[in-house]
Amino acid sequence: GAVVSQHPSWVICKSGTSVKIECRSLDFQATTMFWYRQFPKQSLMLMATSNEGSKATYEQGVEKDKFLINHASLTLSTLTVTSAHPEDSSFYICSARDLGDRAEQFFGPGTRLTVL
Amino acid sequence: GQNIDQPTEMTATEGAIVQINCTYQTSGFNGLFWYQQHAGEAPTFLSYNVLDGLEEKGRFSSFLSRSKGYSYLLLKELQMKDSASYLCAAMDSNYQLIWGAGTKLIIKP
Repeated sequence: GAVVSQHPSWVICKSGTSVKIECRSLDFQATTMFWYRQFPKQSLMLMATSNEGSKATYEQGVEKDKFLINHASLTLSTLTVTSAHPEDSSFYICSARDLGDRAEQFFGPGTRLTVL
Repeated sequence: GQNIDQPTEMTATEGAIVQINCTYQTSGFNGLFWYQQHAGEAPTFLSYNVLDGLEEKGRFSSFLSRSKGYSYLLLKELQMKDSASYLCAAMDSNYQLIWGAGTKLIIKP
């Protein structure tokens, strides 16, 4: 149980375009989903916390107008990277927390974004 | 401030035992997690400690001392597939995970 999927697994796009990444909890309801970014050889960096039905809470230094997060249901959150640039190339990982469990986060497999 | 410290890199021999230490400072505490992350993949859950003591799970064990703000992950009978980064994360009073930078474990034959 506790499976989280992400789509797409990898994406290559041109500079200036927008990319949408989906995060789904497949067998549980997730009140809260988290979006992380990880650059090579670095640790996870929390970008934002997404709560179902409300606005996401962004970490300091993360542009909310560039990284649009929507958490419309208890099983789906989306991250849209708008007007992507090469420096946005990174590994984006989502995680979800079970409705009844305030502790463990379950991670999706990640999305590798390359902006040309 | 909130902070997690763990070694950047460790090297061990196949079949041996290795201990990865982690110290933490957080605003409140709701548990300590260890995750394994292979290159190019998302982290996978290894252990969760919220009470003092040792939790054993097969070849992996995790220890917590809340009074010392200290945890370790113990890996026994090391296998080549254990080569990965090991992430320590503490959960604060808001149930947010504070992540360490990860320890890259290199296993040599």
